[in-house]
Amino acid sequence: QQQVRQSPQSLTVWEGETAILNCSYENSAFDYFPWYQQFPGEGPALLIAIRSVSDKKEDGRFTIFFNKREKKLSLHITDSQPGDSATYFCAATPNNNNAPRFGAGTKLSVKP
Amino acid sequence: GGIITQTPKFLIGQEGQKLTLKCQQNFNHDTMYWYRQDSGKGLRLIYYSITENDLQKGDLSEGYDASREKKSSFSLTVTSAQKNEMAVFLCASSLQGNTLYFGAGTRLSVL
Repeated sequence: QQQVRQSPQSLTVWEGETAILNCSYENSAFDYFPWYQQFPGEGPALLIAIRSVSDKKEDGRFTIFFNKREKKLSLHITDSQPGDSATYFCAATPNNNNAPRFGAGTKLSVKP
Repeated sequence: GGIITQTPKFLIGQEGQKLTLKCQQNFNHDTMYWYRQDSGKGLRLIYYSITENDLQKGDLSEGYDASREKKSSFSLTVTSAQKNEMAVFLCASSLQGNTLYFGAGTRLSVL
């Protein structure tokens, strides 16, 4: 049973548009939510992360919006670039520092 | 900076064979992980280890063994490879469970 759910499975946007990737979870013990970016043939790499005490985290064109009550978060990529084409994974780490659980990923394609 | 090295990069096995995957890190991180990546299913946790000689089962540990021989290395054994199995096995390390640093993966195919 997937502890972390992501949608959509795949997403295509045009260059310059905003891509919105969604994530939800059920375990209230999760309190740290990193997003990882993976290019073909490589391992995932940390993109941006948020703790459950915050409702927003911004880093350049990447922003996480977090709703603790609804157990939902989203990653917004503004001014999307072809180089952003990759698979994005939402992960959730419990407050006891147990191992992170990952969602199934969203494959993003940005068309020039 | 550091690096995670996974060997081999590609592994072809026969049905029923016991196969071992190796991982080395030079970050001096305490915690190491093994995840399995299947298309459409994301990353699923197999085993992790919070210190040398420690082992914790993940959500997908059945059919696998792991060994943390020393702080810098963590190996995974597929105890009996399944026919037509294809997956990528990813090793990672972290300091106290925050950012995970991943290797490039071992791609397994079973004939």
